[in-house]
Amino acid sequence: KAGVTQTPRYLIKTRGQQVTLSCSPISGHRSVSWYQQTPGQGLQFLFEYFSETQRNKGNFPGRFSGRQFSNSRSEMNVSTLELGDSALYLCASSLGHRDQETQYFGPGTRLLVL
Amino acid sequence: DAKTTQPPSMDCAEGRAANLPCNHSTISGNEYVYWYRQIHSQGPQYIIHGLKNNETNEMASLIITEDRKSSTLILPHATLRDTAVYYCIVRPGFSNQFYFGTGTSLTVIP
Repeated sequence: KAGVTQTPRYLIKTRGQQVTLSCSPISGHRSVSWYQQTPGQGLQFLFEYFSETQRNKGNFPGRFSGRQFSNSRSEMNVSTLELGDSALYLCASSLGHRDQETQYFGPGTRLLVL
Repeated sequence: DAKTTQPPSMDCAEGRAANLPCNHSTISGNEYVYWYRQIHSQGPQYIIHGLKNNETNEMASLIITEDRKSSTLILPHATLRDTAVYYCIVRPGFSNQFYFGTGTSLTVIP
């Protein structure tokens, strides 16, 4: 079974631009979570989507948003990019049953904001 | 939500067992302990999880104390490829909102 895939793998943007990242979960998984990893803050939870609805949300500004499609693929969008948004963005998928959930992570998208 | 405490770094000789401790003294009765590892900025890799019984799989063993306030991840025969940052996570109830701490940077020495 194929793992979680993320596109693109690398991205360079300039301040003020917006960016959209994509995540395809493992087949059959209905939950997709997004995380941001930076050297200073470590791995931080952004949000989780299940059945096209946001189920949990971390403590990030409204510039960070996401959505999930009917095939469980998810996108996250960051608007008005700031230098501090440079990070590794990871998505993780799980079945979505909540009991004994194991999240499986993708390889990440490395975003550099200049 | 229960938080975890791990030593920032550890070394282990290749071929020996690596024992990585984790303290989670505020864990609640229905919260699972999960272990992940991250090799040089790749996506975190799932290792093992447990509730209160000891668990073993092809990668590692998880020993949880009877009071559930701490646990130990055991890599029975560490190899150079096990060099990574290891994260101990207490899964908050039925949420997928994992809190990653700073983890333990394990270096396996030849």
